[in-house]
Amino acid sequence: GAGVSQTPSNKVTEKGKYVELRCDPISGHTALYWYRQSLGQGPEFLIYFQGTGAADDSGLPNDRFFAVRPEGSVSTLKIQRTERGDSAVYLCASSQDYYNEQFFGPGTRLTVL
Amino acid sequence: AQTVTQSQPEMSVQEAETVTLSCTYDTSENNYYLFWYKQPPSRQMILVIRQEAYKQQNATENRFSVNFQKAAKSFSLKISDSQLGDTAMYFCAFMKKGAQKLVFGQGTRLTINP
Repeated sequence: GAGVSQTPSNKVTEKGKYVELRCDPISGHTALYWYRQSLGQGPEFLIYFQGTGAADDSGLPNDRFFAVRPEGSVSTLKIQRTERGDSAVYLCASSQDYYNEQFFGPGTRLTVL
Repeated sequence: AQTVTQSQPEMSVQEAETVTLSCTYDTSENNYYLFWYKQPPSRQMILVIRQEAYKQQNATENRFSVNFQKAAKSFSLKISDSQLGDTAMYFCAFMKKGAQKLVFGQGTRLTINP
């Protein structure tokens, strides 16, 4: 079956704008994760969903970042009032349940000018 | 908080050689998992190998094996008979049991030369 997909692949925006990044997990996977990977660094955890609810959002850097998963499948990461420091690759992963392997998507490269 | 350290920013070996990537971690937890992920230029993270902390035996997956030293908090990856397709960034990662979030190291850029 299809793997985790993320759209758009690349997003360029201006400082202060609002952006939405989408993640389509593997069908049937109940757990979904968002990570942020800055240039030259390893990914950093942002948020984890089990079903529709955010089970752990301790990695969201501030209240400009918000994520939803209304039907327990597709998730959207929303960033308000973007700043240049938000430029990074945003990775999404899903797993069949907690404890299982996380399968990653190809990421969305966000560039804030 | 847990931290993961990869002290080798870059490594380069010839095809067919064996290479070892280093990883150390810091935690007060007793139950956890350790992982090595590969990230090629396509950006997609691929799981290479996984180790459960309670297991004494080192994990092995074909040409990939680990040396897990729990007391020393060390988790190195050995790639045998390296191939050109092994060229990628490699990340060591930690997960506390039940926590679900992966904590990654800074990565090692591995280049396999023909």
